[in-house]
Amino acid sequence: DAGVTQSPTHLIKTRGQQVTLRCSPKSGHDTVSWYQQALGQGPQFIFQYYEEEERQRGNFPDRFSGHQFPNYSSELNVNALLLGDSALYLCASSLTNTEAFFGQGTRLTVV
Amino acid sequence: GQNIDQPTEMTATEGAIVQINCTYQTSGFNGLFWYQQHAGEAPTFLSYNVLDGLEEKGRFSSFLSRSKGYSYLLLKELQMKDSASYLCARMGFQKLVFGTGTRLLVSP
Repeated sequence: DAGVTQSPTHLIKTRGQQVTLRCSPKSGHDTVSWYQQALGQGPQFIFQYYEEEERQRGNFPDRFSGHQFPNYSSELNVNALLLGDSALYLCASSLTNTEAFFGQGTRLTVV
Repeated sequence: GQNIDQPTEMTATEGAIVQINCTYQTSGFNGLFWYQQHAGEAPTFLSYNVLDGLEEKGRFSSFLSRSKGYSYLLLKELQMKDSASYLCARMGFQKLVFGTGTRLLVSP
């Protein structure tokens, strides 16, 4: 049983560009949450998807958007990248209100 | 983190016991999680408390007091590999909110 998988593992982008990160949840999980983790900080909640809808959203600008597909996989899109968007982006899958399982993350560097 | 407080850093000696405390906002509370995160890696699940009391799992135990908005993670018989960040996370309103984490350094 594959756990949560994310792609790519590392990415370098230029300021102003757009990026798409992908996540496949653990088998049987229907809820996908995205987090941004800056160096030395805890993960910050970006948003959560359930039944292909954004169910919850953290304090992130509209440049951050997402999508969930019928097979529960998900994408995180970030437009107009800023240097401050450089971080580890974590995807977590779960069933509602149960433990979240994390993927290995995508390390995004904006230059 | 969102009204989740835990110490920034702790140090301990191999073989010792360490307790990492966490206080959190109680409104909408649905459970308290502890995760371990080694540098450069994803968080891994350690424990989940939804009722008051102590949950023991091998060398790790976690305690919860819902009325006080308080939890702790207890690590016994510390090993060098336990050097990591320990993240306290509160489940509420269907989302998991993390503290900033406690960096634990275990020395010989």
